[in-house]
Amino acid sequence: GAGVSQTPSNKVTEKGKYVELRCDPISGHTALYWYRQSLGQGPEFLIYFQGTGAADDSGLPNDRFFAVRPEGSVSTLKIQRTERGDSAVYLCASSSPPYTEAFFGQGTRLTVV
Amino acid sequence: AQTVTQSQPEMSVQEAETVTLSCTYDTSESNYYLFWYKQPPSRQMILVIRQEAYKQQNATENRFSVNFQKAAKSFSLKISDSQLGDTAMYFCAFIFGNEKLTFGTGTRLTIIP
Repeated sequence: GAGVSQTPSNKVTEKGKYVELRCDPISGHTALYWYRQSLGQGPEFLIYFQGTGAADDSGLPNDRFFAVRPEGSVSTLKIQRTERGDSAVYLCASSSPPYTEAFFGQGTRLTVV
Repeated sequence: AQTVTQSQPEMSVQEAETVTLSCTYDTSESNYYLFWYKQPPSRQMILVIRQEAYKQQNATENRFSVNFQKAAKSFSLKISDSQLGDTAMYFCAFIFGNEKLTFGTGTRLTIIP
C-alpha cells in the first residue's frame, strides 16, 4: 500500500480480555516502531523492530505487552489481560535507511471498559 | 536519555498571522535530527519539517521554518500566513541514530477565522 495501515481503527474491549493490533508498514521498510499515545500526551515509544527481530523493546510497560513481526513486514501488538489504563491510541510507524524519517499510520484507538 | 519539552500546551492565532511554537530538548549527543510533526483529528502524524543538527542553516518548507539554536538546545517552529488547515496538535521530536523518536507533550494550535 501507499502508506502505513493499522487495523482496527477503533477497538473497544472489556477489562481482562486479550487484544491484537495490526500494523502493515510501507513495503520495503525494514524498521517498524510502535508508540502509545495517551490522552493529551505525546507518543511514547514501546518497541522497535529491525527486520524480524526486536531491536529495542525497552518501552514495553510490562509483560502483558508483546509484539511480533515474523516475516519482517506486518507486525502485531498483543496485549493480554487488558486494563483500563491501557486505553490509548497505539501508533505504528515504519522507516527505511537512513532512518531519518518515520511514516506513521492513523493509529488504533483502544478503549478498555 | 533524551528529553523534549514543549512549554505551550495551547496557542491560538488569527488566520494569516504568524505564530511561533517553542521546543527545547536535552541530549549529550552531537549528531541528531529534530522534527516537527502535525497531528490533526485524524490522528495521523504528519512530518512538517526536519532539521539535521550538523547543519547550521535553519530548515524551511514553504510557510514553515525553524529557528534552531544548537548551543541553547532550542528548536522553535514558525508558521507564516497561518491557514485554517494548520489547526492541529504539533509535536516536537528528537532522534539519534536509527533509534526511537522522543516526543514532547505537544502544543494545540487553533487558527481563528
